[in-house]
Amino acid sequence: DSGVTQTPKHLITATGQRVTLRCSPRSGDLSVYWYQQSLDQGLQFLIQYYNGEERAKGNILERFSAQQFPDLHSELNLSSLELGDSALYFCASSAREGQNYGYTFGSGTRLTVV
Amino acid sequence: LAKTTQPISMDSYEGQEVNITCSHNNIATNDYITWYQQFPSQGPRFIIQGYKTKVTNEVASLFIPADRKSSTLSLPRVSLSDTAVYYCLVVPNRDDKIIFGKGTRLHILP
Repeated sequence: DSGVTQTPKHLITATGQRVTLRCSPRSGDLSVYWYQQSLDQGLQFLIQYYNGEERAKGNILERFSAQQFPDLHSELNLSSLELGDSALYFCASSAREGQNYGYTFGSGTRLTVV
Repeated sequence: LAKTTQPISMDSYEGQEVNITCSHNNIATNDYITWYQQFPSQGPRFIIQGYKTKVTNEVASLFIPADRKSSTLSLPRVSLSDTAVYYCLVVPNRDDKIIFGKGTRLHILP
């Protein structure tokens, strides 16, 4: 158990639907990062939050949004889902400013869009 | 962000020492070199991080020459369970996003 909790572990939904993925960071970690991993694209950085504020954006589609709540958990919202959104979505957390601490990843949510 | 180059894949045998080299010619003064390991359908796991010379922990060693333009991850006496993808990353010493490359797919043979 890495200490980063992601729910649900698996999600199957239809095209056009909307889903919410949840991430609870490791205790004490203020930063949360979201990544998407598909077979052909590898690990793609989506977005980062630090203590409730958006810090960095990567290749995140406009149909996707995220937020970090006061209790530091984060949610990734995916809407108007397409078949190509099927992927593993990982959340990672880190302690605070400075990369010295590395990232701790959760076990991911596998999203299947049918 | 400094670009990294590492072999796409490597094969080795159980009990051998495996060295994976990564080149990062454009590394900046404030950059740290970090390695992650990822098993299929699992999130990447932080292995080791260094700035210069040599760093060792219970899992691996990281060798960084003086010019820091490359680094070598050394896995001693690998086992089948070390079969995974290994990512070399160069990240500034600030809370910044990590961009993962393709990594090195290491396959350990019996």
